[in-house]
Amino acid sequence: DQQVKQNSPSLSVQEGRISILNCDYTNSMFDYFLWYKKYPAEGPTFLISISSIKDKNEDGRFTVFLNKSAKHLSLHIVPSQPGDSAVYFCAASVTNNAGNMLTFGGGTRLMVKP
Amino acid sequence: NAGVMQNPRHLVRRRGQEARLRCSPMKGHSHVYWYRQLPEEGLKFMVYLQKENIIDESGMPKERFSAEFPKEGPSILRIQQVVRGDSAAYFCASSPLHSSSDGYTFGSGTRLTVV
Repeated sequence: DQQVKQNSPSLSVQEGRISILNCDYTNSMFDYFLWYKKYPAEGPTFLISISSIKDKNEDGRFTVFLNKSAKHLSLHIVPSQPGDSAVYFCAASVTNNAGNMLTFGGGTRLMVKP
Repeated sequence: NAGVMQNPRHLVRRRGQEARLRCSPMKGHSHVYWYRQLPEEGLKFMVYLQKENIIDESGMPKERFSAEFPKEGPSILRIQQVVRGDSAAYFCASSPLHSSSDGYTFGSGTRLTVV
């Protein structure tokens, strides 16, 4: 049972345009959502997060939107740059006293063309 | 300690051998998590440990896999009698106590190849 899904395995965008990466989840207990970026042969690096009490969080060129009723979140990158080319993972967690295990989606490979 | 250190970066084992993967968390981090990424798949949770305790091992295969995080030294993920299906990238992450603001800090991973 895949609780976090990224239905687009890949996305190609022209430099300067907007990149929109989507993520759906099924577990209504998730209360924290994160996006990670991963380059080949490296570990994932944290990009941006959002709490379930918010519907938008912005950090520079990156904005995450959360639609709780639809159990959907998206990452917007604008303007897209060639250096943004990487695999992006959506992740979700249930905050509890025992820790914060993350459940990851399958990833979306973003290619930004110059 | 600039970050989470994993070694080796690459590990080749023959079927039936043992693989030992090491992870040193960031300084001040007391929580360690192991994830596995199979080819063309996402990251799958394996085990969550604190010092000398396994908190959640719900993602660990029932046989051949074990993990520890001793009082002194790195966390170890041990795979006995490896099979070809164990070939994957194994990532370790660490976090401070009860951190959720920015998730974890990941290491660069150990890529295990079973031949």
